[in-house]
Amino acid sequence: EPEVTQTPSHQVTQMGQEVILRCVPISNHLYFYWYRQILGQKVEFLVSFYNNEISEKSEIFDDQFSVERPDGSNFTLKIRSTKLEDSAMYFCAIMTGTYEQYFGPGTRLTVT
Amino acid sequence: AQKVTQAQTEISVVEKEDVTLDCVYETRDTTYYLFWYKQPPSGELVFLIRRNSFDEQNEISGRYSWNFQKSTSSFNFTITASQVVDSAVYFCALSGWKTGANNLFFGTGTRLTVIP
Repeated sequence: EPEVTQTPSHQVTQMGQEVILRCVPISNHLYFYWYRQILGQKVEFLVSFYNNEISEKSEIFDDQFSVERPDGSNFTLKIRSTKLEDSAMYFCAIMTGTYEQYFGPGTRLTVT
Repeated sequence: AQKVTQAQTEISVVEKEDVTLDCVYETRDTTYYLFWYKQPPSGELVFLIRRNSFDEQNEISGRYSWNFQKSTSSFNFTITASQVVDSAVYFCALSGWKTGANNLFFGTGTRLTVIP
């Protein structure tokens, strides 16, 4: 099973601050995803990233969000000006060549 | 539009009982993938299975089995002889087949509690 790590495991930030969540897939993959899960709710798709560009995004992924793969390994999600409703668990995922998606352990974001 | 319904919000069983978690999906795609994930109390999402829409063979993996019925748009998950470690939230998910359209649509999950 492909391994995906995420940092930090927990991030506390004040409303209006910028946060960057990081995902590091251990092996080479082409497809990356960010999902979020508000506490007690279902997992929701945010954005998919392929070949260094966004391939699909949900309506949640507005102008406050951005993704990039700055150094060919880390895959980051940036929230420019956090809101209280951004508090959630954020999961990075990779997709294998057989279309299986494996998730990282998640980053719990708390916006105060 | 893609939609996944897990009508069972919570299920409790006594250890060693069998339990089936239901999943019903909606999609306009003729080919697609179906998934099950386990989310234990620690919070991570653990991949359990991926199924192609053109393969309706049931699958068994140890105490886990999956019943895919395209005619009823269902992909149910059965745990045989449940154990306390099976206590978790289980999510069913659906994705498209086309490259670039593979994001997962999740159901709301079923919380399974196995009582010792």
